[in-house]
Amino acid sequence: AQKITQTQPGMFVQEKEAVTLDCTYDTSDQSYGLFWYKQPSSGEMIFLIYQGSYDEQNATEGRYSLNFQKARKSANLVISASQLGDSAMYFCAMREEDFGNEKLTFGTGTRLTIIP
Amino acid sequence: DTGVSQDPRHKITKRGQNVTFRCDPISEHNRLYWYRQTLGQGPEFLTYFQNEAQLEKSRLLSDRFSAERPKGSFSTLEIQRTEQGDSAMYLCASSPWAGEGEKLFFGSGTQLSVL
Repeated sequence: AQKITQTQPGMFVQEKEAVTLDCTYDTSDQSYGLFWYKQPSSGEMIFLIYQGSYDEQNATEGRYSLNFQKARKSANLVISASQLGDSAMYFCAMREEDFGNEKLTFGTGTRLTIIP
Repeated sequence: DTGVSQDPRHKITKRGQNVTFRCDPISEHNRLYWYRQTLGQGPEFLTYFQNEAQLEKSRLLSDRFSAERPKGSFSTLEIQRTEQGDSAMYLCASSPWAGEGEKLFFGSGTQLSVL
């Protein structure tokens, strides 16, 4: 069964500093995808970044990068030069990319607060 | 592109009542998903549709829950005989295609409170 673990319930970071949000996962499948979503107080889940299990390079999307360590089964999100608007809940998620499996499994999230 | 729209944003109901939520996906997105999120947890998968066909349902979706997508466009999620444990945020998401890296576009959710 898929499982996502986010061990940091909350983090406080000074504006303009970089921040790393931890995510470990558990799966017996060889083919899977890892996602990070941001959920501001409005409730909407916003896609940030995706990493496929066969991708050799770490994914990057603007200020977001995913530190993918396959042997350790970790997929940490790195936000560079944090901004006040980055304050939100952040969820790591995984989908095992088998035919017929369409669900994302989410972790419990990390609440990030950016301090001015 | 107006995004995924959910209605209502908030619903307060008494235990035992039926409630229905609506989701309008991004136009031309053929996949539509329902997730449930309780306080302090990440979203949990409930069900998904490809066009009008409901292709997968979670064990979380008890017999009191039913979802439809009659014309492959908007979807409704109905909960019959609501219980206090049904209190949660119900999130709808849509996507334009299936495959690796399929990105879901979420709505802002319907917050249900069962008294």
